[in-house]
Amino acid sequence: EIVLTQSPGTLSLSPGERATLSCRASQSIRGNYLTWYQQKPGQAPRLLIYGASSRATGVPDRFSGSGSGTDFTLTISRLEPEDSAVYYCQQHGTLPTFGQGTKVEI
Amino acid sequence: QVQLEQSGPRLVRPSQTLSLTCAISGDSVSSNTAVWYWIRQSPSRGLVWLGRTYYRSRWLYDSAVSVSSRISVNPDTSKNQFSLHLSSVTPEDTAVYYCARGLAGTGAFDVWGQGTMVTVSS
Repeated sequence: EIVLTQSPGTLSLSPGERATLSCRASQSIRGNYLTWYQQKPGQAPRLLIYGASSRATGVPDRFSGSGSGTDFTLTISRLEPEDSAVYYCQQHGTLPTFGQGTKVEI
Repeated sequence: QVQLEQSGPRLVRPSQTLSLTCAISGDSVSSNTAVWYWIRQSPSRGLVWLGRTYYRSRWLYDSAVSVSSRISVNPDTSKNQFSLHLSSVTPEDTAVYYCARGLAGTGAFDVWGQGTMVTVSS
């Protein structure tokens, strides 16, 4: 099983600032099948980024993903108040696993 | 627009079977490109996939090792839905349960059900 470790645990920033979230895998992820989700309280996760860097339909371009192999990054440029949420990475190079999440407070 | 609508009891007694259903609209459970998943979320364990079913000329199934002896995921083509059955539940199975669609060729879950908070308690 591939273990995903996200850092930091919590990120406290101001509107307009840039957020950089990290996701590190215990082994290389086949096919760069690395996905990012946003989850707000009481809601299901929402797909943001798939294939490490492709934005899902309707996702604002201030969200971007990068990385390969074992190290991946989600960047939120120009934070807005509605970006307050928990962000999860997930891999599907083998059977799917999720990171423990990074909470972004704005 | 694809939507998933979950239904099922929110309280299950210990040692009983947890059963949930996920009704699909805008896609087919028999799709040759989609994969249909059950995932749960709890404060102690986070997000964990449980099992999946999909059709590729025949029905295929697999599940997480942690629940493989207790789980079944079944398609129902007549109602365009799929179900989760988790037997011999304990309080550790208390969680929010989600159904989700796997996006073909990406490994991502692009559509999620609304979630069902299931409590295992006597």
